[in-house]
Amino acid sequence: VIWMTQSPSLLSASTGDRVTISCRMSQGISSYLAWYQQKPGKAPELLIYAASTLQSGVPSRFSGSGSGTDFTLTISCLQSEDFATYYCQQYYSFPPLFGQGTKVEIK
Amino acid sequence: EVQLLESGGGLVQPGGSLRLSCAASGFTFSSYAMSWVRQAPGKGLEWVSAISGSGGSTYYADSVKGRFTISRDNSKNTLYLQMNSLRAEDTAVYYCAKSMGSLEDLDAFDIWGQGTMVTVSS
Repeated sequence: VIWMTQSPSLLSASTGDRVTISCRMSQGISSYLAWYQQKPGKAPELLIYAASTLQSGVPSRFSGSGSGTDFTLTISCLQSEDFATYYCQQYYSFPPLFGQGTKVEIK
Repeated sequence: EVQLLESGGGLVQPGGSLRLSCAASGFTFSSYAMSWVRQAPGKGLEWVSAISGSGGSTYYADSVKGRFTISRDNSKNTLYLQMNSLRAEDTAVYYCAKSMGSLEDLDAFDIWGQGTMVTVSS
């Protein structure tokens, strides 16, 4: 099993801020990492796959980086609609575990 | 439009059974692996089970192995999750999710259903 540590669990920020979320793996996964956004009462939505590829329709203020064991999701200029919970997920091997989640709240 | 629609959730007693369904539309269902992912109230996402496009390969989380069975009917574009010996800790919203790529059993999930709630309680 590949374990992951996602941090922080809670991030307080203001509109316009640049925010970063980290995901660290217990072993290397190349670039088999995805990031999802989930809003309350809604299903998750894919933001980034292959560590850094933006899913179609996702705003360019979202970006992903990293490979191997350390990954980062960056929101360059936080918008009101970005306040949500974010999850990383490895899909290098079964089970494809999710990170614990990072809630981005209004400061 | 690519769409997944779950059904079959509800209230069930501990030890009981339930079958979830996920109707797919807007894509070639048989070409893609599918998964079930659940989310307990106020908690994070937990992958539950996956099945290859052909249905020939299945995968389970340790927490449900031996109790849950994933299957698919490609002629009906429908994914299933048979849940037996249900426990209180199985209480969650259950989502079906489509894998992105058509060649791999494991990939990012690009399409999600709206979810169906399963409550296990006496």
